Amino acid sequence: EIVMTQSPATLSVSPGERATLSCRASQSVSSNLAWYQQKPGQAPRLLIYGASTRATGIPARFSGSGSGTEFTLTIGSLQSEDFAVYYCQQYNNWPPGAWTFGQGTKVEIK
Amino acid sequence: QVQLVQSGAEVKKPGASVKVSCKASGYTFTGYYIHWVRQVPGQGLEWMGRINPNSGGTNYAQKFQGRVSMTRDTSVTTSYMELSSLTSDDTAVYFCAREPPLTTIQGPVDYWGQGTLVTVSS
Repeated sequence: EIVMTQSPATLSVSPGERATLSCRASQSVSSNLAWYQQKPGQAPRLLIYGASTRATGIPARFSGSGSGTEFTLTIGSLQSEDFAVYYCQQYNNWPPGAWTFGQGTKVEIK
Repeated sequence: QVQLVQSGAEVKKPGASVKVSCKASGYTFTGYYIHWVRQVPGQGLEWMGRINPNSGGTNYAQKFQGRVSMTRDTSVTTSYMELSSLTSDDTAVYFCAREPPLTTIQGPVDYWGQGTLVTVSS
């Protein structure tokens, strides 16, 4: 099983500042890496897939980078609606069809 | 429009089974895998497995092998996830999610169900 490790667990940021979240895979997942945002009581919302492609309707302040085992999600200038929990997910299809999620990073208001 | 509508909240006793449904509409049901993901309150997302609604073929996470069963009924465009031998550790929100055919260019998921809370308590 591929293990995904996110850091930090909690990130305290002021509105308007930049936030950088990290995700590491225990083995290469190529670019089969997605990022989600989740707010309380809601299903996750896909932000980034293919490590760096923004999903439909996602603002340009969200950007993703990395490949292989090291990935980063950057939120360029935090808006009030961006304070949430963020998860990375690998979908490299091994074992077939398997997904693995990181444990999440909570972005909170400083 | 595409919708995945899940069944309502359940309360079960330890040792029982639960069956959660996910009704699909607005697209060709057999064309897209359905995944099941759960979230224990206050914790992260955990993948349980997926089903191919066309063939009925399944892939399960090792953690749930032998305890989970994913099925579908194409006549009512509904997928099901049944989890047996429930314990309090299975108290969670269970989500279904649709995987598009070309994940490399479309991403791993495009629609989610609203979630179903399953509470296991004596």
